[in-house]
Amino acid sequence: NAGVTQTPKFQVLKTGQSMTLQCAQDMNHNSMYWYRQDPGMGLRLIYYSASEGTTDKGEVPNGYNVSRLNKREFSLRLESAAPSQTSVYFCASEIRASGANVLTFGAGSRLTVL
Amino acid sequence: AQSVAQPEDQVNVAEGNPLTVKCTYSVSGNPYLFWYVQYPNRGLQFLLKYITGDNLVKGSYGFEAEFNKSQTSFHLKKPSALVSDSALYFCAVRHNFGNEKLTFGTGTRLTIIP
Repeated sequence: NAGVTQTPKFQVLKTGQSMTLQCAQDMNHNSMYWYRQDPGMGLRLIYYSASEGTTDKGEVPNGYNVSRLNKREFSLRLESAAPSQTSVYFCASEIRASGANVLTFGAGSRLTVL
Repeated sequence: AQSVAQPEDQVNVAEGNPLTVKCTYSVSGNPYLFWYVQYPNRGLQFLLKYITGDNLVKGSYGFEAEFNKSQTSFHLKKPSALVSDSALYFCAVRHNFGNEKLTFGTGTRLTIIP
């Protein structure tokens, strides 16, 4: 049981380039999330998908787009990367977006924008 | 709006001593409270949660946390620290109705000194 799988683990981009971070979960979870982690800032929610077919903005959505491709997969796209998007990105999922449910996280994707 | 504060960026504890990592929260209504741990180059892992009932919650690896409603706190504790407890710890809150997203604190780096 792989849990939440993120690819790639590392990526270096030049300013203005685009890329997509991939996330897949095999736990039949309904809700999926993209967070970014920056020193001193904790985890900040970029976008989330409460269920297949829906996506919503989180705390810091500017510069990003998402696609909930199916129940398993939730991708994050940077259309024109900026140095401010240098961060570690985490995908997470839970059975449904409420209450006492526990998030399962991927191992993270470290992105550097030069 | 809900929020979490972790007042200490860094906590150092000698091996074998008790440890406390502090967390206070703000949420309308009753909270669900969580602790997650992040080891180097890994995603976050669930440690324990408070839903209702007994104010002392026991979790993985010998950790426990005490919910204090009057002080709006949920401090993480362990009676005897191990070097392997060194990691980044995140407190998180969600209110107990609707489908509000999880809000994380900024994290506390715990270092256990041999």
